Amino acid sequence: LAKTTQPISMDSYEGQEVNITCSHNNIATNDYITWYQQFPSQGPRFIIQGYKTKVTNEVASLFIPADRKSSTLSLPRVSLSDTAVYYCLVGPPMIYNQGGKLIFGQGTELSVKP
Amino acid sequence: DTAVSQTPKYLVTQMGNDKSIKCEQNLGHDTMYWYKQDSKKFLKIMFSYNNKELIINETVPNRFSPKSPDKAHLNLHINSLELGDSAVYFCASSQSLGPGQGYYGYTFGSGTRLTVV
Repeated sequence: LAKTTQPISMDSYEGQEVNITCSHNNIATNDYITWYQQFPSQGPRFIIQGYKTKVTNEVASLFIPADRKSSTLSLPRVSLSDTAVYYCLVGPPMIYNQGGKLIFGQGTELSVKP
Repeated sequence: DTAVSQTPKYLVTQMGNDKSIKCEQNLGHDTMYWYKQDSKKFLKIMFSYNNKELIINETVPNRFSPKSPDKAHLNLHINSLELGDSAVYFCASSQSLGPGQGYYGYTFGSGTRLTVV
């Protein structure tokens, strides 16, 4: 599975847009990019998954350039409740993931201040 | 509420003791997992069960023994607890699409914070 690199921590203020970039230089052709969010004292929660270009849902947007060697999770107008650790995972999509094993990296600890 | 629930939420115990953590899911999933999250926030899979059958057993000391009485429950028993076992343990579940076909609907519980003193 492709190794991922993310910033260890980021600070932001309420109302700002936050972009978290993940590097995955050795991403394989059939790999998808998935982001999980983990609030303090909770388990990780799936937020978005994509293969190329742009994916948007009610929580976030995911931008993936043509070479797919990086991706950016974009959180529009963050609030205090977006304070969490964000994990970027790269590998076969869950639908094809043998054994159902998720491999998490260190994640990015996002702190949103008032 | 539909969820993955773990008990207890907190567990403080002395070295050498034996303890169990219980997990139940009412999502109708057929696959359940135990993950361990250390103090540096690294989450690592320990075990996975599909329909009560062990399918993933990572390099975990044999002091850790999972048990799945049915597909809705996966318990974790730990013998002879050591200081290094202190961590947050997460249970998760998902639904398989069939042999070798993958999984979806991954859902984590809220975790059990184990402190060994």
